[in-house]
Amino acid sequence: GAVVSQHPSRVICKSGTSVKIECRSLDFQATTMFWYRQFPKQSLMLMATSNEGSKATYEQGVEKDKFLINHASLTLSTLTVTSAHPEDSSFYICSAEGTVNYGYTFGSGTRLTVV
Amino acid sequence: AQKVTQAQTEISVVEKEDVTLDCVYETRDTTYYLFWYKQPPSGELVFLIRRNSFDEQNEISGRYSWNFQKSTSSFNFTITASQVVDSAVYFCALSALPGAGNNRKLIWGLGTSLAVNP
Repeated sequence: GAVVSQHPSRVICKSGTSVKIECRSLDFQATTMFWYRQFPKQSLMLMATSNEGSKATYEQGVEKDKFLINHASLTLSTLTVTSAHPEDSSFYICSAEGTVNYGYTFGSGTRLTVV
Repeated sequence: AQKVTQAQTEISVVEKEDVTLDCVYETRDTTYYLFWYKQPPSGELVFLIRRNSFDEQNEISGRYSWNFQKSTSSFNFTITASQVVDSAVYFCALSALPGAGNNRKLIWGLGTSLAVNP
């Protein structure tokens, strides 16, 4: 149980375009979704926390207009990287938490490359 | 402030050796969770263990064991008879317990990269 499906696993896009990353909780209701980014050989950096039906809470230094997070339902959250630039290239991981599981179930990650 | 320190950046061992990964944490909370995760080269995070601060019993799961000591604020992870498939980055993390509102986010260590050589 407690599976989170994250898509796409890899994406290459051109500078200036937008990319949407989806995370779906397959067998539980995700009341809270955490979005992380991870640079090579570094730890995870929390970008934002979203609760279903509410606006996301962004960490200091994370541009909310650039990284749009939507958590409109209990099973789906999306992260849209708008007007992507090469410096946005990174590994993005979502983590979902429901009312039953408190184990921080993670998606498999999305490797974004902006060229 | 909450903090997790994994002092070992990289460890290299030969297969079948035992290896211990250190984790020291700081928190003002009296109740909290501690976690260990494995991140293989594929990038996916694999949950290994969650330990409640109320429970100081050590845990063993196959070749894995964890030593939780509140007195030294440490939650060390030992792999016995290491194997090549254990090669990965291992993260220790800390969080408040459910019900603590916005403070429940995970505080991550920087990770320890373990290389197990044949």
